[in-house]
Amino acid sequence: NAGVMQNPRHLVRRRGQEARLRCSPMKGHSHVYWYRQLPEEGLKFMVYLQKENIIDESGMPKERFSAEFPKEGPSILRIQQVVRGDSAAYFCASSPLGQANTGELFFGEGSRLTVL
Amino acid sequence: AQSVSQHNHHVILSEAASLELGCNYSYGGTVNLFWYVQYPGQHLQLLLKYFSGDPLVKGIKGFEAEFIKSKFSFNLRKPSVQWSDTAEYFCAVISFSGGYNKLIFGAGTRLAVHP
Repeated sequence: NAGVMQNPRHLVRRRGQEARLRCSPMKGHSHVYWYRQLPEEGLKFMVYLQKENIIDESGMPKERFSAEFPKEGPSILRIQQVVRGDSAAYFCASSPLGQANTGELFFGEGSRLTVL
Repeated sequence: AQSVSQHNHHVILSEAASLELGCNYSYGGTVNLFWYVQYPGQHLQLLLKYFSGDPLVKGIKGFEAEFIKSKFSFNLRKPSVQWSDTAEYFCAVISFSGGYNKLIFGAGTRLAVHP
């Protein structure tokens, strides 16, 4: 669904640099989810945010990764001091309410991070 | 916690062949189940979902899935595939924890349909 906008679509970083991935949810959606897709591993849940709140970050690595969803502007997934193992596709999804009501998430086209 | 297993990572079919992709989930009480599809270079989109009621669920583009509670399965089927069905297919289940839900995905199945 073109409503969820992610940028950049492709990002190349050298080891030790920072990566910032942005996600603008669909209009009217206030819940954002980040997933990471590694080859042959499907999509792994990372974090669930509402405006100005992190609800569940149980899938986030303990170090170097952080996420925010400010009152104004897109959600940001930030990876500090990237390593080659961070190379993956990062997908953002949004929903209008907590998933309890429909379960359906609307996905962006993903941001593909390559760490050299 | 809920988990999802997809048995085949890669499937190759000829056009008009029938398709069945396996999906099993771990037991966790009430289950809400989904199939998402990702066409090359595109975002994930919902194919179909099951919450309750008729265990045979019809989705878009001629896909259907059957919820079999006794087998903890939610296999995806299509009687006759087309080249345009070439995509990656993900089974997913809602995990209920911490007072809210999150979607847990299987590893995905890459389907290649040859003309």
